[in-house]
Amino acid sequence: EPEVTQTPSHQVTQMGQEVILRCVPISNHLYFYWYRQILGQKVEFLVSFYNNEISEKSEIFDDQFSVERPDGSNFTLKIRSTKLEDSAMYFCASSIAGVGANVLTFGAGSRLTVL
Amino acid sequence: AQSVAQPEDQVNVAEGNPLTVKCTYSVSGNPYLFWYVQYPNRGLQFLLKYITGDNLVKGSYGFEAEFNKSQTSFHLKKPSALVSDSALYFCAVREDGNTGKLIFGQGTTLQVKP
Repeated sequence: EPEVTQTPSHQVTQMGQEVILRCVPISNHLYFYWYRQILGQKVEFLVSFYNNEISEKSEIFDDQFSVERPDGSNFTLKIRSTKLEDSAMYFCASSIAGVGANVLTFGAGSRLTVL
Repeated sequence: AQSVAQPEDQVNVAEGNPLTVKCTYSVSGNPYLFWYVQYPNRGLQFLLKYITGDNLVKGSYGFEAEFNKSQTSFHLKKPSALVSDSALYFCAVREDGNTGKLIFGQGTTLQVKP
């Protein structure tokens, strides 16, 4: 069964450092997403991406965050200058379409720890 | 704005007994409703979804969910729980016409005891 793969599985960084989280969505999917889950809290939407541009973003997704699809397979989330409160599990997801009953397929997540 | 509520942080049930994990939602248009499960150190796995039609939806691993429009609920059920069902369960909603974003509830931990 096709999977969404994420790397790294765990990253520890110092506050203020830049972090890039990588995702390989399912190959025939056209919509890509990043979500995060702070420990013990709900899964929160960050951003959706379609046709090489952001289609929607949440208020969490401020100027410190950016997304990119640098080639035909990878989808990345960059945090420019990490803060302690960025510590969370970050999930990438993809879907064939962006509306209706289309199912998002999630990766296993990248745990980010900011010290 | 869309929202999802899961009123129980944790549900405990004995193996073999029926289980229910509750979810209520709020959307302004037609809802598309989903249940996902998260096992420890794993990503979110899709269980089932409601589109339209039959209010009882069957999904993976013997789970089903009942859509109730008047109560704006989408409770997850299973007739006979297994210890291996113990996990974190998330209800999610997408509003009709949305860009694809899912809004998740806060999650309910299901503990099935032998």
